[in-house]
Amino acid sequence: DADVTQTPRNRITKTGKRIMLECSQTKGHDRMYWYRQDPGLGLRLIYYSFDVKDINKGEISDGYSVSRQAQAKFSLSLESAIPNQTALYFCATNDRANSPLHFGNGTRLTVT
Amino acid sequence: AQSVTQLGSHVSVSEGALVLLRCNYSSSVPPYLFWYVQYPNQGLQLLLKYTTGATLVKGINGFEAEFKKSETSFHLTKPSAHMSDAAEYFCAVSDRRYGGATNKLIFGTGTLLAVQP
Repeated sequence: DADVTQTPRNRITKTGKRIMLECSQTKGHDRMYWYRQDPGLGLRLIYYSFDVKDINKGEISDGYSVSRQAQAKFSLSLESAIPNQTALYFCATNDRANSPLHFGNGTRLTVT
Repeated sequence: AQSVTQLGSHVSVSEGALVLLRCNYSSSVPPYLFWYVQYPNQGLQLLLKYTTGATLVKGINGFEAEFKKSETSFHLTKPSAHMSDAAEYFCAVSDRRYGGATNKLIFGTGTLLAVQP
């Protein structure tokens, strides 16, 4: 089983719809992250959480929200999806500052 | 602000040739440095990291990188490319200046490596 599991793997939705991307991890890590990957732009940080009670905005948080339901679960929501949110979304975890990130396999989201 | 630049969004080499992927960072204090690899339809995997100590870092799959403070660089190399090395490679930095507790990784824009038979 994967250490970091993202669901769904692929999703197509329409403009204006609310959508949730889910992430769960079995690493026992406190730190969890949501990144967005776009061609030519690399990975950009959307939100991050250093423990269950700690949520922080990343560099591109507008239009997104998150929920840390438990140490192992970190969900990303798009309240009203728009086409420029079409991207590949990654969840990642690590156990302390500057330790390597462990990534899920990504969710490919298309907003039409 | 911390930043990282990867020169060359696409690099093509022949099988058996040297692989050189370039990464430069901007920081007044040497950061923590990482290389990640992304195979098709997968998440990123750590190749190697530099935190302190020896400036030549060896990673998985025969890759290595050398931290050069004077050049603010952390280029990734492999002496002989294999077809299985075809993937996208990302350099990432984490700022060392602020005590580390809240540090986050900043990623470069990636270099797509193609290996020709």
